[in-house]
Amino acid sequence: AQSVTQPDIHITVSEGASLELRCNYSYGATPYLFWYVQSPGQGLQLLLKYFSGDTLVQGIKGFEAEFKRSQSSFNLRKPSVHWSDAAEYFCAVASSTDSWGKFQFGAGTQVVVTP
Amino acid sequence: EADIYQTPRYLVIGTGKKITLECSQTMGHDKMYWYQQDPGMELHLIHYSYGVNSTEKGDLSSESTVSRIRTEHFPLTLESARPSHTSQYLCASSESTVTREKLFFGSGTQLSVL
Repeated sequence: AQSVTQPDIHITVSEGASLELRCNYSYGATPYLFWYVQSPGQGLQLLLKYFSGDTLVQGIKGFEAEFKRSQSSFNLRKPSVHWSDAAEYFCAVASSTDSWGKFQFGAGTQVVVTP
Repeated sequence: EADIYQTPRYLVIGTGKKITLECSQTMGHDKMYWYQQDPGMELHLIHYSYGVNSTEKGDLSSESTVSRIRTEHFPLTLESARPSHTSQYLCASSESTVTREKLFFGSGTQLSVL
């Protein structure tokens, strides 16, 4: 069965520290991979996406993610967290073979940033 | 930035009432989606649309219905709301299903059924 797993429900990080959010997927073929961020009271915003090519992708707000096929992972990282990064982060996958773009989301990781 | 709008932002309503959650986008996207989001849970696709007069049910069974009479408008209706329908409903649209560029999301409607 296809699935997206974000093992960490909640992460607390100090401002200025590094952040890594984990995402694992189970999919029949190599999927398209995404990270979205949801700030309180807002809709989801795309941080970055991976379709093919370089497995290290850069996104907005200083985030990057690395696709590791052997580990079926697409972990999100940021070297130095800012207070404004406090939000919920969702990993998502979409089939590379479906004709209409059906996205599947993980349960999300809530990030709290402390001073 | 994305131009996709959902109204109302919050809705508290009694059991048995008929409700319609509005979603509009001004980007001319053919593909539109409704997701249901509960705290700590993944987003579940409940409806999607390829374009005008096209609607399909998503992965999660829902008692709601949708319509797509105009490209820009994708309302979701519950004929008789129940407490089990309490959730956040997120509308989204996308530019392309071939390259799956990205989803644009509205701010959501938080529905509470008493």
